[in-house]
Amino acid sequence: DVKVTQSSRYLVKRTGEKVFLECVQDMDHENMFWYRQDPGLGLRLIYFSYDVKMKEKGDIPEGYSVSREKKERFSLILESASTNQTSMYLCASSFRGRGNSGNTIYFGEGSWLTVV
Amino acid sequence: EDQVTQSPEALRLQEGESSSLNCSYTVSGLRGLFWYRQDPGKGPEFLFTLYSAGEEKEKERLKATLTKKESFLHITAPKPEDSATYLCAVQAGYNDYKLSFGAGTTVTVRA
Repeated sequence: DVKVTQSSRYLVKRTGEKVFLECVQDMDHENMFWYRQDPGLGLRLIYFSYDVKMKEKGDIPEGYSVSREKKERFSLILESASTNQTSMYLCASSFRGRGNSGNTIYFGEGSWLTVV
Repeated sequence: EDQVTQSPEALRLQEGESSSLNCSYTVSGLRGLFWYRQDPGKGPEFLFTLYSAGEEKEKERLKATLTKKESFLHITAPKPEDSATYLCAVQAGYNDYKLSFGAGTTVTVRA
């Protein structure tokens, strides 16, 4: 079974703090993702990485950065947390697509971040 | 722009009462349509991938079907443990990573 592990399930941080969310996958997937999920807004892609040290912005990258130093690990960084970043954060991973077929994206359990 | 619309928003069923969830989509070159189950406070759990019209996949009481414009998730004789939010997502032909999600259908099965 695919395993995507997020290091923290629940975090409470203060406004202005630097926050790290860590994610590890054990399937040797090339692609890794960070989403956030909010009521009424659904899942939105923050950043995507298709290889070590490579990253691409998703739909809502403002206020976030990412790091991928090893294939299995993808970190989301909030440089200066703000209250509007209170949300559930989901890490995901997948193989790179083959031909015209899609590639299944597997999600972790989620990290609930509250910024006060 | 890719669009995914799920209906209904919420579905309340009696145990054993079969029903279907709809996912209609507009996408430029479908690479795949995905169904996920999400329990409260948890990440989406992968259920099925469908690649082409006419394809069907089954898992226990769930069966997913795909046409050129929509997908259905059929729940046969549901049990209370099938209560969850079911998410549909599509992956378009121009990339192999971006998923466009629907808003989900929340299913509640009463014993």
